[in-house]
Amino acid sequence: EAGVAQSPRYKIIEKRQSVAFWCNPISGHATLYWYQQILGQGPKLLIQFQNNGVVDDSQLPKDRFSAERLKGVDSTLKIQPAKLEDSAVYLCASSWVRDRAPEAFFGQGTRLTVV
Amino acid sequence: DQQVKQNSPSLSVQEGRISILNCDYTNSMFDYFLWYKKYPAEGPTFLISISSIKDKNEDGRFTVFLNKSAKHLSLHIVPSQPGDSAVYFCAASYSGTYKYIFGTGTRLKVLA
Repeated sequence: EAGVAQSPRYKIIEKRQSVAFWCNPISGHATLYWYQQILGQGPKLLIQFQNNGVVDDSQLPKDRFSAERLKGVDSTLKIQPAKLEDSAVYLCASSWVRDRAPEAFFGQGTRLTVV
Repeated sequence: DQQVKQNSPSLSVQEGRISILNCDYTNSMFDYFLWYKKYPAEGPTFLISISSIKDKNEDGRFTVFLNKSAKHLSLHIVPSQPGDSAVYFCAASYSGTYKYIFGTGTRLKVLA
């Protein structure tokens, strides 16, 4: 079974530029998450999708971050414009429908550096 | 407001001995807990979980204990192996939301 795929692995941008990350979850997983992990901290949930609907985006800085999950499969996370404090690893994860084994499976992440 | 806390940033253990990683939480609504292991440059990997209806769950060398009254859980690794050296995160969720809230992690180093 293929795991969660993310791209790119690394990205360096200047502040005020825009950037987009892509995620392809495990086939059949209805729930998709985007997490932000700042160095030395635990992952922080940005947004949670169930199929193509948003379940929770309370921690997403909506003035600069946006996310979508087209057709309930792939997802993109965008930052526009980026700030220095957005430097972090962005992790995508997926899990089965909510009434089954609920543990989330993570991709390798995208390391973003904003200079 | 840190709802899930791992107060030990690092832990060193001799190979073959027991590793005990601790996690405290503040929200009594949490009813499902997980442990993840993370190697450098990789995403977290699921290790073991426990529901609040249990106080212990075991999987091979890994055992998770839950003390609901103390709002505390721990992960025991016996015996510890050098390949266990990684950062361990505990996570919690509630009310069937599967919205996972993570602690800050504990870096385990198993010395050969």
